[in-house]
Order: sequence, then C-alpha cells, then structure tokens
Amino acid sequence: RKEVEQDPGPFNVPEGATVAFNCTYSNSASQSFFWYRQDCRKEPKLLMSVYSSGNEDGRFTAQLNRASQYISLLIRDSKLSDSATYLCVVLRGSYIPTFGRGTSLIVHP
Amino acid sequence: SQTIHQWPATLVQPVGSPLSLECTVEGTSNPNLYWYRQAAGRGLQLLFYSVGIGQISSEVPQNLSASRPQDRQFILSSKKLLLSDSGFYLCAWSESSGGPQYFGPGTRLTVT
Repeated sequence: RKEVEQDPGPFNVPEGATVAFNCTYSNSASQSFFWYRQDCRKEPKLLMSVYSSGNEDGRFTAQLNRASQYISLLIRDSKLSDSATYLCVVLRGSYIPTFGRGTSLIVHP
Repeated sequence: SQTIHQWPATLVQPVGSPLSLECTVEGTSNPNLYWYRQAAGRGLQLLFYSVGIGQISSEVPQNLSASRPQDRQFILSSKKLLLSDSGFYLCAWSESSGGPQYFGPGTRLTVT
C-alpha cells in the first residue's frame, strides 16, 4: 500500500456543484496533514491545513478521520477557477512530507 | 514576510553536462529546506531535505547531490546529467518546528 493515495480523477463537475476528494494514508503515526493546490506548470500552493476537529475556509472544508486514516477536502459552489490538481500531504515526524499524486478537478460552465 | 527564490526558471542542458540550481529564502532563519522533482504528469518526488547548514538527507539515491552552504541557501547539483533528470525542480521551505511547506516557482529542466 502506498503511503499516501489519492484518486487521480479527473473529477469533471459543473459550476456551482459540490465536490469532495479523499486521501488515505498508511502510517498511523502521521502527525500533520495539508491540502495543496497546483495549477498546470506551476508550483503547489498551500490551500489549508487539516486539523483534528475539522476546519473551514470559505467554500473549502477539510476533515481528518484518524480511525480510518483519511483526510478529505470538500469544495462547495465550485468555480471555474477551482480547476486544478489538489494534492494531499502527510507529515511523518515534524518535517518529512509525503505527497499524494494529486486529484485533478475540472469545473465546466 | 517570507519569500523563496529559485533560478533559473527554465534550463535546457545536454546529456553529460553539469547542473547547478540555486534556491534562497528570505525573511526567516534556520528553515527546513527541500528539493523535489516532478516528472511530466507525475507526483512530487522528495529528493533532499536539510534541517541545518551542512546537514543534507537524501531520500532517493541518484546522480544528484545537494548542499546548504548558508542558512537560507540550498543548491542542487549534478556532475553529469541524464535524460531521466528532465523535470520540474521545486525548492521548498518550512519552519524549523515543522508545519506546511512553501514552494518556490520552480525550474523546468530539459535534458537533450
């Protein structure tokens, strides 16, 4: 089993839709979790951290399920500009990251 | 605020030539520093990380090497490039206490 797994997609959704991505991790000792957004031929940019209690930032909600070892990202009211690849990141220890391969999202008019 | 610089933005090099990519961070001290490679259509592969000057950890054995001559400078090198070294090279930093990473704009390397 890979350390961090994501469905590569693409998820093809209309504007205004709600879409959710999951990311599973294998190391139960993992401590920190993040979602990044990567546009084509650009560097990844931090979207949000994932806290145990769950957290929300505008249209984006991230959740952590330690028992089942997955994190999720929910995007409400999708915009065309949300089209990108979404990467989940798991930290083992405090600074050694493992990136998932990303989930591609395409939002169409 | 912190900023991270990488150069060059693009590079075309022949097989067998040397490589030197530089990354510098401003606005923080004693950061953790990272080099990644992303091959076309692939995920991010962690190559090296450093938690301090002169301290380099390698994640993947290959013909690349890294050095950290100053606190906020990280260099990726190769003596002889291979075709398989082509890719998008990204430098990143995080606080010494851990946490999320912040990426530079990357260098797109094509080995011909």
